[in-house]
Amino acid sequence: ETGVTQSPTHLIKTRGQQVTLRCSSQSGHNTVSWYQQALGQGPQFIFQYYREEENGRGNFPPRFSGLQFPNYSSELNVNALELDDSALYLCASSPGAYNEQFFGPGTRLTVL
Amino acid sequence: SQQGEEDPQALSIQEGENATMNCSYKTSINNLQWYRQNSGRGLVHLILIRSNEREKHSGRLRVTLDTSKKSSSLLITASRAADTASYFCATDPIIQGAQKLVFGQGTRLTINP
Repeated sequence: ETGVTQSPTHLIKTRGQQVTLRCSSQSGHNTVSWYQQALGQGPQFIFQYYREEENGRGNFPPRFSGLQFPNYSSELNVNALELDDSALYLCASSPGAYNEQFFGPGTRLTVL
Repeated sequence: SQQGEEDPQALSIQEGENATMNCSYKTSINNLQWYRQNSGRGLVHLILIRSNEREKHSGRLRVTLDTSKKSSSLLITASRAADTASYFCATDPIIQGAQKLVFGQGTRLTINP
């Protein structure tokens, strides 16, 4: 069974740029959630996708957007990057919208 | 805003001792989950306890849940150096729509050899 994978591992961008982060869900999982974890903090929920539809959103501005594909992999897009977007971005998959979530290793984004 | 609050924020003990971490939360929940994170890497799921359960065990881990006090505790027995990590509780609040896990700020556990 393949776990959750994320790419890239690390990324450096400058303010104003756009970034796309990718996540492959665990086999058999149809739900993907994205979280942002600032240094020294707990993860904060960005949004969730269930069967290719957004299924809930946290307190993040519209410049954070996402997609889920038919194979249940997912992308997180962030436009107009700000310094405060520097964080570890975590993707989690689950076999349904109300089950245990299994996390990938994360993408470390640095905005200069 | 974060619902869960872990206590203590940091804990340092000797190898072989037991470690207890506590979590408090604010709203009604479907379940509560505990995760471990090593050095800013991905989260490892440890245990899930549902709102109708009071205690759960998994190996050296024991989790309790008191929904009347809106609190949970994680006990790690016979600690090992490899248990050094940050531990987070995450609540699954009863809301419509997404299963939005709400994390606390975590407890940094250090096991000294």
